[in-house]
Amino acid sequence: GEDVEQSLFLSVREGDSSVINCTYTDSSSTYLYWYKQEPGAGLQLLTYIFSNMDMKQDQRLTVLLNKKDKHLSLRIADTQTGDSAIYFCAEPSSGTYKYIFGTGTRLKVLA
Amino acid sequence: DGGITQSPKYLFRKEGQNVTLSCEQNLNHDAMYWYRQDPGQGLRLIYYSQIVNDFQKGDIAEGYSVSREKKESFPLTVTSAQKNPTAFYLCASSYGGDNEQFFGPGTRLTVL
Repeated sequence: GEDVEQSLFLSVREGDSSVINCTYTDSSSTYLYWYKQEPGAGLQLLTYIFSNMDMKQDQRLTVLLNKKDKHLSLRIADTQTGDSAIYFCAEPSSGTYKYIFGTGTRLKVLA
Repeated sequence: DGGITQSPKYLFRKEGQNVTLSCEQNLNHDAMYWYRQDPGQGLRLIYYSQIVNDFQKGDIAEGYSVSREKKESFPLTVTSAQKNPTAFYLCASSYGGDNEQFFGPGTRLTVL
């Protein structure tokens, strides 16, 4: 099936690290994406990783990819209150122009 | 500035009325998409278009219609046949294929 799974909620204290997990389905995806959605707004691309990479680091963000297990994670270091949002992982559906989005993980950062 | 815009931001509709949501992009993207988002849920694809004058149904197309007469524009009509239209509607565009999608700010539709 075409389901991308994420846990629904994550709560962390300010300054701690956050890890958001995603299990995807299509092993032929060239890229995998992480989007951030703040309340009442559209989605913003946060970062992405090529499928031939295991890890990508971008300032406070680290993306890990385990192709064998079809598992993707997003680590946010030194989490701030401004990081409170919903985070979606997404994969292109092979052979189509469609994307498959995860259910979204709502991150709440406690001061 | 290049980007994707949606209007209006908030829209109220009486039951039985059709309403059209606007989506415009100046990114020269070939592909455009409409998603529906309900509270606490992910995105569900309504319609998408890979090129001008062509579009395909997504997962929840019933009660909606679209047109793609211009590359820049992909309006969505929510018809009276849509039984539960109150939701947040997001438009997106991309160069297609595996390229990233860029999202508009969304339109919140409320049926009174």
